[in-house]
Amino acid sequence: EPEVTQTPSHQVTQMGQEVILRCVPISNHLYFYWYRQILGQKVEFLVSFYNNEISEKSEIFDDQFSVERPDGSNFTLKIRSTKLEDSAMYFCASKSYSPIGELFFGEGSRLTVL
Amino acid sequence: GQQLNQSPQSMFIQEGEDVSMNCTSSSIFNTWLWYKQDPGEGPVLLIALYKAGELTSNGRLTAQFGITRKDSFLNISASIPSDVGIYFCAGSLNDYKLSFGAGTTVTVRA
Repeated sequence: EPEVTQTPSHQVTQMGQEVILRCVPISNHLYFYWYRQILGQKVEFLVSFYNNEISEKSEIFDDQFSVERPDGSNFTLKIRSTKLEDSAMYFCASKSYSPIGELFFGEGSRLTVL
Repeated sequence: GQQLNQSPQSMFIQEGEDVSMNCTSSSIFNTWLWYKQDPGEGPVLLIALYKAGELTSNGRLTAQFGITRKDSFLNISASIPSDVGIYFCAGSLNDYKLSFGAGTTVTVRA
């Protein structure tokens, strides 16, 4: 069964360092998303990406964040200068042209900022 | 942004019992969804609801999209140990964003 894959599964970084989280969405999907989940809290929307551009972003997604689809398969989230409060699970998700309900999530990348 | 209130926050249930949880919103949604998250995993879609008043089942799960489009409930019948996990409601107005509730943690006593 096709799935969304994410790397790394866990990354530990020093405050102020740049981090890139990678995602390979399901191959025929058109909409791509990043969500994050701080430990013990709810899943929060960060950004959606469609047709090679950001379609919507939350207030969390400030200038320190960026997304890119550098080729036909990868979808990345970059945090330029990490802060302690960026520590969270980051989930990539994708969907095809069907309604938003059919959103498939990856297993997440745990980011720990020290 | 849209606020989703999910209740209860947690519940302990006996195996075989029925479970009910619900979500309310301060604003309307076009789609209501229910996800389950196991520890260390991403959310997995259980049921998607697209029409106000819609009642949909998936095995032992039943969910309804409220008539006002501001609420939804999820029922689990005859709970089993593998029902343990965190259940999230989520709502959407468009293709680009899901708003999640805070989750209901379900623990089953064998």
